[in-house]
Amino acid sequence: GENVEQHPSTLSVQEGDSAVIKCTYSDSASNYFPWYKQELGKGPQLIIDIRSNVGEKKDQRIAVTLNKTAKHFSLHITETQPEDSAVYFCAASLNTGFQKLVFGTGTRLLVSP
Amino acid sequence: DAEITQSPRHKITETGRQVTLACHQTWNHNNMFWYRQDLGHGLRLIHYSYGVQDTNKGEVSDGYSVSRSNTEDLPLTLESAASSQTSVYFCASSALRQGNEQFFGPGTRLTVL
Repeated sequence: GENVEQHPSTLSVQEGDSAVIKCTYSDSASNYFPWYKQELGKGPQLIIDIRSNVGEKKDQRIAVTLNKTAKHFSLHITETQPEDSAVYFCAASLNTGFQKLVFGTGTRLLVSP
Repeated sequence: DAEITQSPRHKITETGRQVTLACHQTWNHNNMFWYRQDLGHGLRLIHYSYGVQDTNKGEVSDGYSVSRSNTEDLPLTLESAASSQTSVYFCASSALRQGNEQFFGPGTRLTVL
């Protein structure tokens, strides 16, 4: 089955800096890669996703890149703000209506003012 | 507005007791999922359902059961609670055809003493 590894487990940056979180997956058949943000005391919320026919996707200050050959994908946050502080999870799945997501272990991002 | 709710939000129980965690969604989603979240493990899938009367085991299903008698609800039952089942439990739902986004509930923190 699919296995997703995520690094780093914790990341501290200064406000305004960029943050990068990396994930690798094992199943070459996976073709859908979402990123979730989890704020303290809340459930995870989708922030961006990418499908295997696309190499990069941007949404304002966040972007995700995908390298299918190397089986890794990354989340990039530019101009970080204190409200970006949260736990971020990557995931992988087959892109069908019956999807099961396999999650990484999470990255705790702390943005200091 | 459509939403997904979980109850109770916090629960303390004793080893050996049966416990049921409720999950209710008003999106009319076909797919529903139960995850547990533990430090260092991220989110792990316990059980999932693709529709009424359908249930499937996830990667950590031992000691848990679910039933799906209607579209809106997927209760999770711990048959005989164990200390190893102390965790935060999240329910999620997704539509069959509207992409793969899973919408998560706010979570239930369960402590087994």
